[in-house]
Amino acid sequence: QLQLQESGPRLVKPSETLSLTCTVSDGSISSRSFYWGWIRQPPGKGLEWIGTIYYSGYTYYHPSLESRVTISLGTSEKQFSLRLSSLTAADTAVYYCARESTRPGYFYAMDVWGPGTTVTVSS
Amino acid sequence: DIQMTQSPSSLSASVGDRLTITCRASQSIGRYLNWYQQKPGTAPNLLIYAASSLQGGVPPRFSGSGSGTDFTLTITSLQPEDFATYYCQQSYNYPRTFGQGTKVEIK
Repeated sequence: QLQLQESGPRLVKPSETLSLTCTVSDGSISSRSFYWGWIRQPPGKGLEWIGTIYYSGYTYYHPSLESRVTISLGTSEKQFSLRLSSLTAADTAVYYCARESTRPGYFYAMDVWGPGTTVTVSS
Repeated sequence: DIQMTQSPSSLSASVGDRLTITCRASQSIGRYLNWYQQKPGTAPNLLIYAASSLQGGVPPRFSGSGSGTDFTLTITSLQPEDFATYYCQQSYNYPRTFGQGTKVEIK
């Protein structure tokens, strides 16, 4: 069964750039049936969608983050990445990667999630 | 952006209770509505997709209904493992948006 795992630094300084990678096990990101996304959750708060990428490389970003975010495919079919620049304390959150399913009837639901990685922005 | 509004924001309930959580979209989203359960320290887990389809492995005491702008998540006979936070999410267009969450606590 396909699983996702986020990796990257847990502590980043303000104004720096965060780079996270999502690794897919028992599957591939090259399938046309899925999109691949990033979602974050600040401490004690709700879920915020960051952006999504398709196997073709086409991306969708949250308008409030679009100037600072880049989502890209990895060099292998097992990874995709998130870069978020000009960090502030407001970017402190748990970051999740997730799969959006375009399979018939799924209506782009996020059916597989990674466990999340906690990122703290602090000097 | 499509705004998703859940109610209530929190509630207290007892094991065995029947529970209903509502979610309203700021514009029609057809049936592009999903429900997730999140327990502390863990990732969200898909419960219901396309407004009313039960994700594999999810107990049948969970059900969803609605279309357009108004949706509900119902839990019949609440179990101890159901105490969690529930989120609705629209997948009709981008940016994807979530409701603010409904925290279900033990009475």
